[in-house]
Amino acid sequence: SQTIHQWPATLVQPVGSPLSLECTVEGTSNPNLYWYRQAAGRGLQLLFYSVGIGQISSEVPQNLSASRPQDRQFILSSKKLLLSDSGFYLCAWSGVAGAHTDTQYFGPGTRLTVL
Amino acid sequence: GESVGLHLPTLSVQEGDNSIINCAYSNSASDYFIWYKQESGKGPQFIIDIRSNMDKRQGQRVTVLLNKTVKHLSLQIAATQPGDSAVYFCAENIWGSARQLTFGSGTQLTVLP
Repeated sequence: SQTIHQWPATLVQPVGSPLSLECTVEGTSNPNLYWYRQAAGRGLQLLFYSVGIGQISSEVPQNLSASRPQDRQFILSSKKLLLSDSGFYLCAWSGVAGAHTDTQYFGPGTRLTVL
Repeated sequence: GESVGLHLPTLSVQEGDNSIINCAYSNSASDYFIWYKQESGKGPQFIIDIRSNMDKRQGQRVTVLLNKTVKHLSLQIAATQPGDSAVYFCAENIWGSARQLTFGSGTQLTVLP
């Protein structure tokens, strides 16, 4: 069966510090991968998605970036965090290569607090 | 733009009663719908999905109803339990398209003892 991991689970960072969040998927090949952000009590905002290694699409302009160095690894980064970057970051995968209509399965999330 | 919205942001039900969570969608071309459950501090969990060639689909204690005429989707939870307390999201898309899933803002379900 497929599993998705995210770490760290929680993170407290000062403004202006760098960020690296990691997501890995097991049990599937060539998944579509997604990064979402969720503000407290709000819905899901799609940040980035990837249909393959090195292929990243950005949905919103921001000071975040994403990379996919391996088939089942997706990384969310920032060079300098802003207060507004605080939130709950979710990674997700889906199994239909190149199509985004398949069910997305989410990881446990990372709670980021920028102080 | 097109969006998926929920009629009620919060819903409280007594333990043992049935719950109905509603979702309206605006894209008449949407033909694939998913319900997710998100417990506090956790990632959304897939509950059930439905394609537009069906009006109803049942799972374990859950039923999804789709009314394409009025573009309305509902999730029914039978014999609601304390563990059902969570935020429930609907999501929609056009099967086979390059569009991203569109998520609703969520409904907070609280089960009262």
